[in-house]
Amino acid sequence: AQTVTQSQPEMSVQEAETVTLSCTYDTSENNYYLFWYKQPPSRQMILVIRQEAYKQQNATENRFSVNFQKAAKSFSLKISDSQLGDTAMYFCAFMNNAGNMLTFGGGTRLMVKP
Amino acid sequence: DTGVSQNPRHKITKRGQNVTFRCDPISEHNRLYWYRQTLGQGPEFLTYFQNEAQLEKSRLLSDRFSAERPKGSFSTLEIQRTEQGDSAMYLCAHKVRVSGNTIYFGEGSWLTVV
Repeated sequence: AQTVTQSQPEMSVQEAETVTLSCTYDTSENNYYLFWYKQPPSRQMILVIRQEAYKQQNATENRFSVNFQKAAKSFSLKISDSQLGDTAMYFCAFMNNAGNMLTFGGGTRLMVKP
Repeated sequence: DTGVSQNPRHKITKRGQNVTFRCDPISEHNRLYWYRQTLGQGPEFLTYFQNEAQLEKSRLLSDRFSAERPKGSFSTLEIQRTEQGDSAMYLCAHKVRVSGNTIYFGEGSWLTVV
């Protein structure tokens, strides 16, 4: 069974600065998908970014980028130029190649301070 | 818009009553998932459907829970004889293959059992 670990329960960052959220996972599979989801107070689960394990290039979506280290089973999220609207819970998630399910980490609560 | 509509958005029920949640994907994507999320935790997998077939069920899905997906379109999740421990957000999601096997979530149905 896959497990996903987010070791930072809470983090804070000043507006306009950069913050990195950590995620590690455990799997015996070679092909899989990794995701970061954002959950603001509205509770809507919003996809932030995704990474296919077979791609060596790190994914980037505007201010959001990942550092994917397959050998280390690490998948961190970097948020550049943090904005107040980035305040939310962030969940790292793993999906196996068969796409049976997403396994989530415990989440990191991010607070962006003005 | 994630292409997934859930209702009701909020439900307050007395312990012992039955409740039913509905999930409508905007189009008939073949994979549909149900997750449960309690406060401060990441979502936990409950079950998933491929078309109308329920292919996998979590041990979290006790015999009081039943999910259906008639005709492979909308899905329902019923909880019988609700208990206070059932209070949670119930999330429906679907997998969009054209977006690289990404799973998109609906806004969730929040259940409070009093």
